[in-house]
Amino acid sequence: SQTIHQWPATLVQPVGSPLSLECTVEGTSNPNLYWYRQAAGRGLQLLFYSVGIGQISSEVPQNLSASRPQDRQFILSSKKLLLSDSGFYLCAWSQGAYQPQHFGDGTRLSIL
Amino acid sequence: RKEVEQDPGPFNVPEGATVAFNCTYSNSASQSFFWYRQDCRKEPKLLMSVYSSGNEDGRFTAQLNRASQYISLLIRDSKLSDSATYLCVVNILDAGGGADGLTFGKGTHLIIQP
Repeated sequence: SQTIHQWPATLVQPVGSPLSLECTVEGTSNPNLYWYRQAAGRGLQLLFYSVGIGQISSEVPQNLSASRPQDRQFILSSKKLLLSDSGFYLCAWSQGAYQPQHFGDGTRLSIL
Repeated sequence: RKEVEQDPGPFNVPEGATVAFNCTYSNSASQSFFWYRQDCRKEPKLLMSVYSSGNEDGRFTAQLNRASQYISLLIRDSKLSDSATYLCVVNILDAGGGADGLTFGKGTHLIIQP
């Protein structure tokens, strides 16, 4: 069966520090991969999605970036975090664009 | 007009009651519909897909009304453990070159009271 791993679960970072969140999927090949952010009490905001290695589409302009160095690995990064980057970051995978998405446990990021 | 719209609630419902909520979507060409459940401070989890003919999974029934462009979720004999936020998810076709995939509603908050 397919599983998705996302880490760390919780992260506290100072403003201006770098960020790297990692997500890996097991049990499937060539999945679509997604990064979302959810602010407290708000809906899901799609940040990036990828349909293959090295293929990244960005949905919103921001100081975040994403990379997919391997088929089942998706990384969210930032060179300098802003206070507004605080939130709940979720990685998800799906078999295709219109197939249901399955989420990792999420990373709760607090910027101080 | 919002692409996927839900009543945010909260819906306060006594245990054992039946509750239903709808979700409207903007694109008449949408083909994929899902309901997700999200518990507080947790990730969303797929509850059920929504098929054209309607489908049932235990106490949960999902229906699609293409003419009026909405999907619904009905929960019978509600349990305390049903308390959660229910997210409506629809594929939105973006002719403008944006994301071609699923769009999540902001969710309906359900509270089952003892």
